[in-house]
Amino acid sequence: DTGVSQDPRHKITKRGQNVTFRCDPISEHNRLYWYRQTLGQGPEFLTYFQNEAQLEKSRLLSDRFSAERPKGSFSTLEIQRTEQGDSAMYLCASSPLTEAFFGQGTRLTVV
Amino acid sequence: AQSVTQLDSHVSVSEGTPVLLRCNYSSSYSPSLFWYVQHPNKGLQLLLKYTSAATLVKGINGFEAEFKKSETSFHLTKPSAHMSDAAEYFCVVSDNGSSNTGKLIFGQGTTLQVKP
Repeated sequence: DTGVSQDPRHKITKRGQNVTFRCDPISEHNRLYWYRQTLGQGPEFLTYFQNEAQLEKSRLLSDRFSAERPKGSFSTLEIQRTEQGDSAMYLCASSPLTEAFFGQGTRLTVV
Repeated sequence: AQSVTQLDSHVSVSEGTPVLLRCNYSSSYSPSLFWYVQHPNKGLQLLLKYTSAATLVKGINGFEAEFKKSETSFHLTKPSAHMSDAAEYFCVVSDNGSSNTGKLIFGQGTTLQVKP
């Protein structure tokens, strides 16, 4: 399968713990995005990479959130000191230019 | 700033009848518009896209959408619903502004129910 891959698919963590998610984009895509989707809502943009450069961050991305894309390949999204409000589906997408391809997401539950 | 409004949060049709999911957009630039579908426990799948070519866009699984600039609409249609079409549908506009990041702005979604 050469689609966008996300790991883990599900994560349950206690409030205050740190979590890290990984996204492997389609290999030739230089654009990578993270989105967050809560129940009953459409996905909301979090951050954008072009190759290894993080070019845009949403105001939704508090200072507890950090994302990286070393060497312009896979990306990680880390949430520090998780809060119950962080519970959501975290989606990664990659794109060659205009059309975005999404992974299946990581569902985070903070208890 | 770009935005999309999906006019119905829930649409229910009978199998074999037409589907209409309504979407209005707002954009300061010539928009790129998309419809995505999300089945339970599955990833978002692109149904179709409009990027300033033909105004009637055909997508997968018999879906199509028409871009109407005068009405700022991009409604999704299908002549005959199938049970497998039951899912969540998102109308999406892409950031084509000066930064041109390609980030997507999603509508709130429309749940399509198909009754036998």
